[in-house]
Amino acid sequence: AQSVSQHNHHVILSEAASLELGCNYSYGGTVNLFWYVQYPGQHLQLLLKYFSGDPLVKGIKGFEAEFIKSKFSFNLRKPSVQWSDTAEYFCAVSQGGATNKLIFGTGTLLAVQP
Amino acid sequence: DAGVTQSPTHLIKTRGQQVTLRCSPKSGHDTVSWYQQALGQGPQFIFQYYEEEERQRGNFPDRFSGHQFPNYSSELNVNALLLGDSALYLCASSLASSDTQYFGPGTRLTVL
Repeated sequence: AQSVSQHNHHVILSEAASLELGCNYSYGGTVNLFWYVQYPGQHLQLLLKYFSGDPLVKGIKGFEAEFIKSKFSFNLRKPSVQWSDTAEYFCAVSQGGATNKLIFGTGTLLAVQP
Repeated sequence: DAGVTQSPTHLIKTRGQQVTLRCSPKSGHDTVSWYQQALGQGPQFIFQYYEEEERQRGNFPDRFSGHQFPNYSSELNVNALLLGDSALYLCASSLASSDTQYFGPGTRLTVL
């Protein structure tokens, strides 16, 4: 069965620090990859997605992610975090097509200290 | 352009009762998916509705059922509530031709 692993459950950074959140999935076929963010008191929002093409994808608010097929990974990065990036981040995978259900990781809670 | 809306926001029920949660998809979307998010966990797929039919189902018992209406809105019904059903229930909408889902704010269900 498909699964998604997020190894960092809780990350604390100071403002201006660089961020990298890990995401690994287990599925050998074609996948669509997503990062969603949940800011305090708000609903899940799409941060970025990868379907095909350039494995380096850029999302909103300066975030980017790199798909490395050989490593089954889709890590999220941001060069310089801000206090407003404090949120919970979820990596998700779907097989695409008619079976586009999302399989989520357990999430990473990011706290950015001013 | 209204996003995905859900009602109610919060709900408290007792064990054994039944509950109905409602979802209106984003304008123009025809597919609705439901997820359960337990505390400290990522959302888990319950099922998906398209053209008023259940198209996919996750690993949830038959106590969880749903419906989609001709206007694409959807309901999630849970019978014989258990304490373990306490969670945030999320609705997501999409176009059948797209793999990108947009989430609503969720309904927080507490079972006592």
